[in-house]
Amino acid sequence: QKEVEQNSGPLSVPEGAIASLNCTYSDRGSQSFFWYRQYSGKSPELIMFIYSNGDKEDGRFTAQLNKASQYVSLLIRDSQPSDSATYLCAVMSGGSYIPTFGRGTSLIVHP
Amino acid sequence: DGGITQSPKYLFRKEGQNVTLSCEQNLNHDAMYWYRQDPGQGLRLIYYSQIVNDFQKGDIAEGYSVSREKKESFPLTVTSAQKNPTAFYLCASSIVGGHTDTQYFGPGTRLTVL
Repeated sequence: QKEVEQNSGPLSVPEGAIASLNCTYSDRGSQSFFWYRQYSGKSPELIMFIYSNGDKEDGRFTAQLNKASQYVSLLIRDSQPSDSATYLCAVMSGGSYIPTFGRGTSLIVHP
Repeated sequence: DGGITQSPKYLFRKEGQNVTLSCEQNLNHDAMYWYRQDPGQGLRLIYYSQIVNDFQKGDIAEGYSVSREKKESFPLTVTSAQKNPTAFYLCASSIVGGHTDTQYFGPGTRLTVL
């Protein structure tokens, strides 16, 4: 059974701080990793994906992947109240096009 | 505009009724998926389809049925056999075999059993 684990939170950070969201996965054959943001009552929207070990930056967002330790993280710099949402981690194994989703981490950015 | 549309946005079902949720995409994606999301839960895969006229059961297919007669369309029927259908239903699509098989989601349908 492929598992993707996320702390459900809520993670509360002050406006302007760095929010760090973590995700661990069980399948060592995993090759593709995705972060989605889901506002309450809305559908998930893709923030970014990462395939290679290391960091990938896109604006205020940085995804970090460590395949040896089987974790992927999302850093949000200069957090804004509009970043308050649930963040879903999704992991896809090599040869599969079906991702496994974590349950998500709730992020609250307070002014 | 390219994207995925789902209708209706809200749907109410009486006990014993079958209801059909619509999902259409104009992204020319090969694969389409249906997920169910319950409060505080992750996404659970109901059915998926990689090509027209072919589909596979996901983790929680019991009480649901689908069809894939056109590449653009993947409707989901929630049958009376589904005992607890109240949930948020999400349709997604993706390219298969490309550089990225990223899933993109429609806006969702919220189904409530009366």
